[in-house]
Amino acid sequence: SAVISQKPSRDICQRGTSLTIQCQVDSQVTMMFWYRQQPGQSLTLIATANQGSEATYESGFVIDKFPISRPNLTFSTLTVSNMSPEDSSIYLCSVVGTGGTEAFFGQGTRLTVV
Amino acid sequence: QQPVQSPQAVILREGEDAVINCSSSKALYSVHWYRQKHGEAPVFLMILLKGGEQKGHEKISASFNEKKQQSSLYLTASQLSYSGTYFCGTVSMTTDSWGKLQFGAGTQVVVTP
Repeated sequence: SAVISQKPSRDICQRGTSLTIQCQVDSQVTMMFWYRQQPGQSLTLIATANQGSEATYESGFVIDKFPISRPNLTFSTLTVSNMSPEDSSIYLCSVVGTGGTEAFFGQGTRLTVV
Repeated sequence: QQPVQSPQAVILREGEDAVINCSSSKALYSVHWYRQKHGEAPVFLMILLKGGEQKGHEKISASFNEKKQQSSLYLTASQLSYSGTYFCGTVSMTTDSWGKLQFGAGTQVVVTP
């Protein structure tokens, strides 16, 4: 199993500002994933964070809005840029276990943009 | 493409059974089931791999029919603690999908005394 620490757990931010969310894993993993869960909705994959290369973004998500860093095999950050109230969501990072099966999630960052 | 989950919601009395279904239009490698309580992150329940297996977690079990690309989650003799929103997450067989979960819309389960 993998233990994932995500910071901050919650934040209230002013529109137009940016927030960087950190995700730390207790073991080395090849790929890390970032998801967004808008209020009352399901989880949507934002991007795959690859170590040593640029992140791969899903349709509807762009690097300018959600820049991602992956400096090593245990750490990644997601920045939510130029925030608007529509960005109010829970953001979760996830990793896949070494067997390539179970996906583990951090506790999430609850973001409110005012 | 998002898997289709049904029903949207179900209300049960304690001790009753329920079935939640998840179907995909894509060939699947695995189906994951999660339960989320309000204000919390999703909690992993079980994973079913290609091969049509069944699994259980206490009185919650699941099956995966790979021919139909469908999975079902069975809540047996439901307990109050089973309340929450259940999500299926699927990993498809395409080469660029490894590790990426596509989640269904969720099924809200309310268990009443």
